[in-house]
Amino acid sequence: QSVLTQPPSASGTPGQTVTISCSGTSSNIGSNSVHWYQQLPGTAPKLLIYSNNQRPSGVPDRFSGSKSGASASLAISGLQSADEADYYCATWDDSLNVWMFGGGTKLTAL
Amino acid sequence: EVQLLESGGGLVRPGGSLRLSCAASGFTFSRHAMHWVRQAPGKGLEWVSSISGRGDYTYSADSVRGRFTISRDNSNNTLYLQLNSLRTEDTAFYFCSRSFGVLVGAEGGWFAPWGHGTLVTVSS
Repeated sequence: QSVLTQPPSASGTPGQTVTISCSGTSSNIGSNSVHWYQQLPGTAPKLLIYSNNQRPSGVPDRFSGSKSGASASLAISGLQSADEADYYCATWDDSLNVWMFGGGTKLTAL
Repeated sequence: EVQLLESGGGLVRPGGSLRLSCAASGFTFSRHAMHWVRQAPGKGLEWVSSISGRGDYTYSADSVRGRFTISRDNSNNTLYLQLNSLRTEDTAFYFCSRSFGVLVGAEGGWFAPWGHGTLVTVSS
């Protein structure tokens, strides 16, 4: 059971904006940056958003991240079929001295 | 180009051992903490273990502590994971990944890039 809580699934029609939440506690998200990873079917995870809201080079600006208190969110605007993937949030927990991943959210473009 | 290439996976009996390797290239290996993350078939990502750039600090998940040991050889740009006392629930793809910085925790930052993974199957 993941300590970082994500909805197991999310969906939207092409062109819509979809938001994925990630909920934690004061010792993890509340204290540290959140990073988001995208895992396309059959591939390794890839960094999507780092330090709450920063995009690595090559990631479209349709992807954005935010954090408030002990929760974080990933927003995908202008949804495309190519965005169908599993999305994971991650952060460090200061109390447990462990890295944590959310349970993952499977995004479907209807 | 930064590359990470895992090897060493395979089929092993419960109670057995394996050593995974991750060959790194394209960056100064000792300047980055490194991590192992696993993914059971059809399941989510699970952090396994991390090691600082100099190898002086290591952290592991409760589920593997005392059974798995992370290490690194900075002279050969290689990360290792020794898996002992394997259980069926350890069956997973094992990915290695690099931190942005040299430290293991939050200061080390995000994981990028990731290798393609190596499959460990524990079965009798």
